Amino acid sequence: QSVLTQPPSSSGTPGQEVTISCSGSSSNIGSYYVYWYQQLPGTAPKLLIYRNNQRPSGVPDRFSGSKSGTSASLAISGLRSEDETDYYCAAWDDSLNAWVFGGGTKVTVL
Amino acid sequence: QVQLQESGPGLVKPSQTLSLTCTVSGDSISRNGYYWNWIRQYPGKGLEWIGYINHSGSTDYNPSLQSRVSMSADTSHNQFSLKLSSVTAADTAVYYCARDVGSHYVSYGMAVWGQGTTVTVSS
Repeated sequence: QSVLTQPPSSSGTPGQEVTISCSGSSSNIGSYYVYWYQQLPGTAPKLLIYRNNQRPSGVPDRFSGSKSGTSASLAISGLRSEDETDYYCAAWDDSLNAWVFGGGTKVTVL
Repeated sequence: QVQLQESGPGLVKPSQTLSLTCTVSGDSISRNGYYWNWIRQYPGKGLEWIGYINHSGSTDYNPSLQSRVSMSADTSHNQFSLKLSSVTAADTAVYYCARDVGSHYVSYGMAVWGQGTTVTVSS
């Protein structure tokens, strides 16, 4: 059972916008930055969003992050076939004194 | 361009110690502000942070593993290492090393990862 809660799956058609939620608590998302990672099959996670809503160089602006209270969201606009993969949220948790991750959301492009 | 590469045995017997090394190229592990992490991913895809060693050699471990984990750095070879003792089948996972910039209060995220190495615990 992951500390951060994500829906196991989400889907959309090409060009649509998909939003993935990440729910936590005051000891993690409520107090610290949220990070999002994309993981293609057989590869290491790739940093997609840092500090709630910042994109590393090279990440398309179709990806955006937001945070409100103890929840965060990742939005993928203009959905493309190559976006079909797994996404994870992460945050520091000060009651566990550890980085914690969501269980991951599999995005399917219909 | 910074690259990380994990190395170590792919098979470890129960009750033994898992030892992995992450070799860093293109950057110095002693650079101020860098945090060198170990993360593992279970076969069911869940991710678990194991701990980090930072630029000055300070460490922080996941409390759930603290009694079995140790990390060290070898600046002469630009490597850092993980040791996990008394392993069981539950420690079977893909182990990744990753670089973060800044502590957890101000982290810029784990932007550089190794390719990962699969470790199976079995007799």
